[in-house]
This record gives sequence, C-alpha cells and structure tokens, in this order.
Amino acid sequence: GNSVTQMEGPVTLSEEAFLTINCTYTATGYPSLFWYVQYPGEGLQLLLKATKADDKGSNKGFEATYRKETTSFHLEKGSVQMSDSAVYFCALKAQGGSEKLVFGKGTKLTVNP
Amino acid sequence: EPEVTQTPSHQVTQMGQEVILRCVPISNHLYFYWYRQILGQKVEFLVSFYNNEISEKSEIFDDQFSVERPDGSNFTLKIRSTKLEDSAMYFCASSGIQGNNQPQHFGDGTRLSIL
Repeated sequence: GNSVTQMEGPVTLSEEAFLTINCTYTATGYPSLFWYVQYPGEGLQLLLKATKADDKGSNKGFEATYRKETTSFHLEKGSVQMSDSAVYFCALKAQGGSEKLVFGKGTKLTVNP
Repeated sequence: EPEVTQTPSHQVTQMGQEVILRCVPISNHLYFYWYRQILGQKVEFLVSFYNNEISEKSEIFDDQFSVERPDGSNFTLKIRSTKLEDSAMYFCASSGIQGNNQPQHFGDGTRLSIL
C-alpha cells in the first residue's frame, strides 16, 4: 500500500540554521505530495504542495521538490526562525480516485535563539 | 480566511459511552473527512463524505463509527460504545472539489480521552 516515511525527530536547530527534513514515499504512479505544519495547540495547516514530478512547492521560505526518481519530497529552509518551531508532516494523495491523505509520523522541530 | 472549526476541543468520556464530535467545514466545500492521531503515532484517515454519503472509509472505520451531516453546516463523527483505544486527537477536514490540486483544510482537532 501507499506509505510515507519521514526522518525521525526531534530536530533542534539554532536560529538562521539550514533545515532539511527528509521525506520519501511509496506509491504507484504520480501521487500528489504535501507538507503540513502543526504549531503548538493548533491544527494541521497546509505548508506547500507539488502535484507532478519536478514541481517545486514553496511557501514562507520553505521549499520541497517532487523527485520521482528518488521518490522523495524533502523539506528545506535556508534560515529558520524561532517561529518555525512546530511539527512537520509529509503526506501524499494517491493518483486516481482516492481522496485520503496518507501521512508520515511527523517531525518535531525546535528552533532555539 | 475561512476555517474549519471543531468542538469540543477536549472531550472526556467513560468507556462504553457514546460520543459525538462536531465539525463545521468551510462553507463552500463539498468533501469532508475525519482523521485521527493516537498519541505518538501517525495521522490516520478514517472516512471521507461527499454528497451525503460515505465515499471512502478505512478499515479502522468499523460499525462503531458513523458520520452524519445533519444540516447544511455541521459534520459529525459518532463513536458508539467507546473503548480505551479510541483515545486520540480527531481531526476534521474539508476540501472544495475533487482532484489532486485541491488541498484539505484541517480543524484544530478534538482531543478525546476515554477513561
């Protein structure tokens, strides 16, 4: 079946450090790929998405590129801020009729001053 | 920006009791979903709902669970005869139209604690 694997957390960085959170997936065809973020005490918010191979999703300084050859969708940010502290979830939606999202386990990021 | 709202934020219930979790999706959305996240585990899909009927459900969504859209705004998840293992965060989501380009918008969740 379809699945998403994220790097285990927690991840702790200093402000202005470079962030990478790895995400790989297993699915047939060309799923759509998403990163969601969950700030403390809040729900899941869509951060960015990509719907076809080689697409780059970007938002709030975060980027992720849909790599079909490596089945990956790694999240990156060049300079993190304390306000980026949150849990980040990688997710896919399979190509075809299913609307359900398949999530990774989430990676908790803490950014210290 | 329109939001998905869920009530209550925290529900504590005795094992064996019925519980109803409530959601108000974004007003012009057509697809509605429930997910759950057991503490420390993945967010898992439960059910999707479109045109007043279930369009897809997971193996988790057994006869203990039901969903309803009782009026034009609310979308509810009922859990009958709750068990300890039903303790989780339950998220409601909605989306506009079917297709890979339409993201799902999530509520803040209801934390369900079964005692």
